[in-house]
Amino acid sequence: NAGVTQTPKFRVLKTGQSMTLLCAQDMNHEYMYWYRQDPGMGLRLIHYSVGEGTTAKGEVPDGYNVSRLKKQNFLLGLESAAPSQTSVYFCATNARGYQETQYFGPGTRLLVL
Amino acid sequence: SQQGEEDPQALSIQEGENATMNCSYKTSINNLQWYRQNSGRGLVHLILIRSNEREKHSGRLRVTLDTSKKSSSLLITASRAADTASYFCALRGNTGNQFYFGTGTSLTVIP
Repeated sequence: NAGVTQTPKFRVLKTGQSMTLLCAQDMNHEYMYWYRQDPGMGLRLIHYSVGEGTTAKGEVPDGYNVSRLKKQNFLLGLESAAPSQTSVYFCATNARGYQETQYFGPGTRLLVL
Repeated sequence: SQQGEEDPQALSIQEGENATMNCSYKTSINNLQWYRQNSGRGLVHLILIRSNEREKHSGRLRVTLDTSKKSSSLLITASRAADTASYFCALRGNTGNQFYFGTGTSLTVIP
């Protein structure tokens, strides 16, 4: 089992360019999340999904869009990248239930010039 | 904010010593979880403590929870150089689907 994987691992964008980050999981988890991690700020939730075809906004959703067309995949899109979106992006998944724990991907490092 | 706040922000100890880090929060919780992050990696779950539990152990880890003070502590006993990492608390409320992560404690264990 691969667990949670993220593609790409690292990317450099110019301001205004677009890109999509892919999160894939083989754990059959219903819930999937996108976080960004910046120095000294911990993890901040961007968007999340509680099932195929559903998405919801988190704490910092502006400038990002998401889609969950298949249960195992959760895509994060940046339509017009800005330097403020330079960050490390983590995908996480968990099964349904309050006692469940999150499983994280290895992260995608994004640099916007 | 529903985020947890951790202290200290950074901690440096000698191998063999104990490391204690704390997490304070403001909302009611269903459970509180601790995660570890090695440099350049994703977070890995360590231990979960439910709101009706006061203490929990897992190997060299000991977690306490005081819901009246809205605080939790993570104790790592007999630390090793391999324990060097950042440690985060995560709050799970009784409603909603979100986890609220703290800002983390960076632990350095000196061999």
